[in-house]
Amino acid sequence: EAGVAQSPRYKIIEKRQSVAFWCNPISGHATLYWYQQILGQGPKLLIQFQNNGVVDDSQLPKDRFSAERLKGVDSTLKIQPAKLEDSAVYLCASSLEAQETQYFGPGTRLLVL
Amino acid sequence: SQQGEEDPQALSIQEGENATMNCSYKTSINNLQWYRQNSGRGLVHLILIRSNEREKHSGRLRVTLDTSKKSSSLLITASRAADTASYFCATDVGGAQKLVFGQGTRLTINP
Repeated sequence: EAGVAQSPRYKIIEKRQSVAFWCNPISGHATLYWYQQILGQGPKLLIQFQNNGVVDDSQLPKDRFSAERLKGVDSTLKIQPAKLEDSAVYLCASSLEAQETQYFGPGTRLLVL
Repeated sequence: SQQGEEDPQALSIQEGENATMNCSYKTSINNLQWYRQNSGRGLVHLILIRSNEREKHSGRLRVTLDTSKKSSSLLITASRAADTASYFCATDVGGAQKLVFGQGTRLTINP
């Protein structure tokens, strides 16, 4: 069974630029998550999708972050414009259903200069 | 605010010893999960324990859950160098559909 795929693995941008991350979940998983993990901290949920609907985006900075899940499969997370404090690892995960075991991708390491 | 808080923040032991990490949480839960994260990698699921369970085992891992104390512990027996990683507990908040992760315990196994 293929795991959760993410790209790119690394990204360096300057502040005020835009960036996009892509995630392909495990086939058949209804729930998809985007997390932000700052160095030395645990993952913080940014947005959770159930199929292509948003379940929770309470911690998503909506003035600069946006996310969509196309046809209930792949997802993209965008930051526009980026700030220095957005430097972090962005993790995508998926699960069969909410509250069940989550399977994580390798993450995208973002550095904003 | 964090739902789960791991303790200790860092733990360093000799290979072959047992490692115990604790997690405390604040609200009622449906389940509690433990994950491992090797440096620079994504998280890997270890064990899920439901609120009506008290103990679960998986290989060298043993997880306990005490809902009266709102706490859980993860025991790794006969530790190996490959167990060096950060360990996170995650809980659903009051039965909500999302998981909230703690800050993690950084475990170092010395050869």
